[in-house]
Amino acid sequence: GDSVTQMEGPVTLSEEAFLTINCTYTATGYPSLFWYVQYPGEGLQLLLKATKADDKGSNKGFEATYRKETTSFHLEKGSVQVSDSAVYFCALSEGAGSYQLTFGKGTKLSVIP
Amino acid sequence: DVKVTQSSRYLVKRTGEKVFLECVQDMDHENMFWYRQDPGLGLRLIYFSYDVKMKEKGDIPEGYSVSREKKERFSLILESASTNQTSMYLCASSLWGVRDTEAFFGQGTRLTVV
Repeated sequence: GDSVTQMEGPVTLSEEAFLTINCTYTATGYPSLFWYVQYPGEGLQLLLKATKADDKGSNKGFEATYRKETTSFHLEKGSVQVSDSAVYFCALSEGAGSYQLTFGKGTKLSVIP
Repeated sequence: DVKVTQSSRYLVKRTGEKVFLECVQDMDHENMFWYRQDPGLGLRLIYFSYDVKMKEKGDIPEGYSVSREKKERFSLILESASTNQTSMYLCASSLWGVRDTEAFFGQGTRLTVV
């Protein structure tokens, strides 16, 4: 079955540091890839997505590129802020119709001033 | 502003009780999902539904059932709550048939079974 593996947390960075959260996937077909973010006390919300090889998703300074050859979708940000402190989930969807999401286990990011 | 609303933020129930978690969406989405979120395990799909009265098992359906009598409402039922069902439960909805569709999540219900 499908699966998503992302780097274990927690990750603690100083403000303005560079962020990378690794994500690799296993899928039977050609999935769409997503990063969702969960801020404290809230549900998940979509951060960015990509649907085909070499697509780059971007939002709020975050970026991730769909790498089919390495089955990866690593999340990056050049300069993190305290407000980026949250849990980040990599996910994929494939199939037909409902396109339910398969999530990684999440990576908790804390950014300190 | 699009919304997925879960009826309770926090619930405390006793072992053996029948528990209902309610979720309502206002986006006319066909798909609705129930996940549970546990530390170190991420989100795991319990059940989903792609239409009224339709339901499909997810990865961990044991001990749960669901009901979808109206398009906007999706209920998760714990027939006889047990302590190992203490968790955060998240409801989500999305459009049917769109490959890269965004899923919209509620704020979650933190259920404690004592």
